[in-house]
Amino acid sequence: DTAVSQTPKYLVTQMGNDKSIKCEQNLGHDTMYWYKQDSKKFLKIMFSYNNKELIINETVPNRFSPKSPDKAHLNLHINSLELGDSAVYFCASSHMDETQYFGPGTRLLVL
Amino acid sequence: AQTVTQSQPEMSVQEAETVTLSCTYDTSESNYYLFWYKQPPSRQMILVIRQEAYKQQNATENRFSVNFQKAAKSFSLKISDSQLGDTAMYFCAFMSTFFGNEKLTFGTGTRLTIIP
Repeated sequence: DTAVSQTPKYLVTQMGNDKSIKCEQNLGHDTMYWYKQDSKKFLKIMFSYNNKELIINETVPNRFSPKSPDKAHLNLHINSLELGDSAVYFCASSHMDETQYFGPGTRLLVL
Repeated sequence: AQTVTQSQPEMSVQEAETVTLSCTYDTSESNYYLFWYKQPPSRQMILVIRQEAYKQQNATENRFSVNFQKAAKSFSLKISDSQLGDTAMYFCAFMSTFFGNEKLTFGTGTRLTIIP
């Protein structure tokens, strides 16, 4: 019955590697988001998709590439991982400008 | 661009007492949404309460209520009869109603500890 799910929950990897985080929602929402929470707990939007179309693309390095194969899924691929990419990444979903519901987060640690 | 400010990095209160968390924001828009989210140690982001700016009535959800002062751009959260499970980081957030800008802009959070 999980509304917004993310895999994996934890990801430990070496600098320079490429990794992906997957997100799925079963709420029937049309908009999905990626947020990054840094080590000081500050949360910031990265991307949003509405009906598979990219709507928001904040100033994120182009090593980060979101992909939305359908309305229920939004994946985040990160190339050439750097130490500064270590953070918790949250997926969220909503219907238009309604309340956003968050996934459990993926803690990424780059060594 | 909108900004959200939470001026209390940490607060603590005895169980069963009432506590108020402060939040101010800055925007030039007249219609928007404001939220309080809770993040317990499990790190899950949980919606506490939501307020539409066009509604004058303050939102309430059981023990949680807000004091929304639109002119002052203030949005405080009051937790009544605090419980140990209320221990968490609390984030205030702003969201525009303009299509293409429905992102949450968060404050820096307030770490709330409920003392038994």
